[in-house]
Amino acid sequence: EIVLTQSPGTLSVSPGERATLSCRASQTVTSNSIAWYQQKPGQAPRLFIYGASTRATAFPDRFWGSGSGTDFTLTINRLEPEDFAVYYCHYYTTSSFTFGPGTKVEVK
Amino acid sequence: QVTLEESGPTLVKPTETLTLTCNFYGFSLITSGVGVGWIRQPPGKTLEWLSVIYWDDEKHYSPSLRSRLSIVKDTSKNQVVLSVTNVDPADTATYFCVYCDSLGPERTFEHWGHGILVTVSS
Repeated sequence: EIVLTQSPGTLSVSPGERATLSCRASQTVTSNSIAWYQQKPGQAPRLFIYGASTRATAFPDRFWGSGSGTDFTLTINRLEPEDFAVYYCHYYTTSSFTFGPGTKVEVK
Repeated sequence: QVTLEESGPTLVKPTETLTLTCNFYGFSLITSGVGVGWIRQPPGKTLEWLSVIYWDDEKHYSPSLRSRLSIVKDTSKNQVVLSVTNVDPADTATYFCVYCDSLGPERTFEHWGHGILVTVSS
């Protein structure tokens, strides 16, 4: 079973700066099986990156997903106020789904 | 437009069986590739996948909870029902109903219900 770890647990960033979030898998995974979700308080998570680097429709291009093998990265450029949230990486197949513990991006 | 709506009890006693219903709209569970699943999130914690059922009635469960879960679909009612047996306070969580299309580009949970908070307490 794939286990995902995320770092850091909390990231303090000023608006307008860049945030870099890490996701590591316990074993090599195919890149097209990694996704990222954004969750704001009181809301359901929202899928915005799938296949490790494909951005969902209507999500701004300041969000970038990259990585391969066991190491994946989410980069958020020029943080906007609405970007402060918790981000989860996610591994998926048709029969098994796993989430990382999350990284909270907060205002510095 | 795909929408999903969870319903069920918000308070359950330990050892009881929790039964949750997902009513969905905007798609059919007879369409090839389509699946409906359940994910839960304890207060302040991360997401935990529980189960998924596909258009062809293929079912999958979380290995750690397999013995306590059961998922069924009723395509005529556009419903998916999840049962969790022998609940414990550790099962207290917001339960989300989710949609996926295994043949689409995303291939994972792209639409979520609002979630229902279930508390397990005597």
